[in-house]
Amino acid sequence: GENVEQHPSTLSVQEGDSAVIKCTYSDSASNYFPWYKQELGKRPQLIIDIRSNVGEKKDQRIAVTLNKTAKHFSLHITETQPEDSAVYFCAASVVGNEKLTFGTGTRLTIIP
Amino acid sequence: DTEVTQTPKHLVMGMTNKKSLKCEQHMGHRAMYWYKQKAKKPPELMFVYSYEKLSINESVPSRFSPECPNSSLLNLHLHALQPEDSALYLCASSQRENNSPLHFGNGTRLTVT
Repeated sequence: GENVEQHPSTLSVQEGDSAVIKCTYSDSASNYFPWYKQELGKRPQLIIDIRSNVGEKKDQRIAVTLNKTAKHFSLHITETQPEDSAVYFCAASVVGNEKLTFGTGTRLTIIP
Repeated sequence: DTEVTQTPKHLVMGMTNKKSLKCEQHMGHRAMYWYKQKAKKPPELMFVYSYEKLSINESVPSRFSPECPNSSLLNLHLHALQPEDSALYLCASSQRENNSPLHFGNGTRLTVT
C-alpha cells in the first residue's frame, strides 16, 4: 500500500518568512495530492490540492509543487502570518481509490 | 458553518455502554467516511461507504459498527469499547469522483472510561 512520509515534524518560522513542508510517497500510481490544515481542536480543512498532470499550483500565499519522477511534493507558504500556525498534513491517493493516505503531519508555528 | 455535521460533539461512555455517533451531509456527496484521530497523529481511515454500500473496512474491530441509512447519513455504532478507543472521530464526505476533496465534520471527541 501507499506510504507517505512528511518532514519536518515541527517547523518554526518568523512572521513574514516562508515555510516549506515536504512529502514523499511510495506508490507511483498515486496521482492526487491534497494538503490539509488542522488548527488546534478543529477539523482538517483542505487548503490546496494538485493532480499529477500539473507540476505546480498556486493560491495566493500557498503553492504546491509536484515531482512525479522523484515522487515528492511540497507545500510552500509565503509571507507567513500568525493564523498560519497549525498542523499541516499532506496526503496521496490513486484516482478511483477512496483511500487517502496521510503523512504524519507538520506542526507549524509562526513567531510574531 | 461546517457542511458536514456530527453529533454529539463530546461523548463519555463506559466500557459496557452502547452509543452511536451520527454524521449528516447535504452536499449530494456519494462517498462518506469514518476516520479516527489520536492526539498529534494523522486521521486514520476506518470505513468508507460509496453509494451507500460499504466499500472499505480497514480491519476495524467489530465493536465499531458502521451504518449508512441513506446517502446523507452515516452512523457509527459503538459497543464494548476500550479506553484506548478514546479519540476524535471524524466523519467526512466527498463526491467520489476524480478524487474530489474530503470535507470533514468537526468530529466527536470520545472518551471511554
